Amino acid sequence: GNSVTQMEGPVTLSEEAFLTINCTYTATGYPSLFWYVQYPGEGLQLLLKATKADDKGSNKGFEATYRKETTSFHLEKGSVQVSDSAVYFCALSQGYHNDMRFGAGTRLTVKP
Amino acid sequence: DADVTQTPRNRITKTGKRIMLECSQTKGHDRMYWYRQDPGLGLRLIYYSFDVKDINKGEISDGYSVSRQAQAKFSLSLESAIPNQTALYFCATSGGRGQPQHFGDGTRLSIL
Repeated sequence: GNSVTQMEGPVTLSEEAFLTINCTYTATGYPSLFWYVQYPGEGLQLLLKATKADDKGSNKGFEATYRKETTSFHLEKGSVQVSDSAVYFCALSQGYHNDMRFGAGTRLTVKP
Repeated sequence: DADVTQTPRNRITKTGKRIMLECSQTKGHDRMYWYRQDPGLGLRLIYYSFDVKDINKGEISDGYSVSRQAQAKFSLSLESAIPNQTALYFCATSGGRGQPQHFGDGTRLSIL
């Protein structure tokens, strides 16, 4: 069945450092891919999405490119801020039921 | 006001008790979902519903039941709670196939 594997955390970076969180998926066909962010005490919020191969999703300085050939959707940001500290989830959905499969989450802490 | 509202936000109860978690939404979406979040496991789907007459089991439905009282309301019940159902529970809605899901802020449930 469909599944998502993402980089284990926690990840700790200094402010203005470059961020990469790796995400790979297993699915047949062409799922839609998402990154969600969860701040403490809150639900998941959509960060960005891509619906077909080679699409690049972007939001708030974060980017991820849908790579069909490597079944990957890695999250990147050129310069992180303390306010980016959160848990990040990679997810995919496919099919009529829009069944969403999530990775285990990666906790990011950014220090001043 | 939040688009997806969950009540209660926190609940502590004892083994064997019946518990109901409620979710209401103002997004006008037909699709609603219940997930549980456990550390290191991401989110796992319990049940989902596409309309009042359409209820489907997710990957971990045992021990849970749901009721879709109206398009805007979807409740999750634990008929006889057990300690390993201690988790963070999220309700989500979706506008359709391939669309992102929108999450409530979660219910933290502890079963003693």
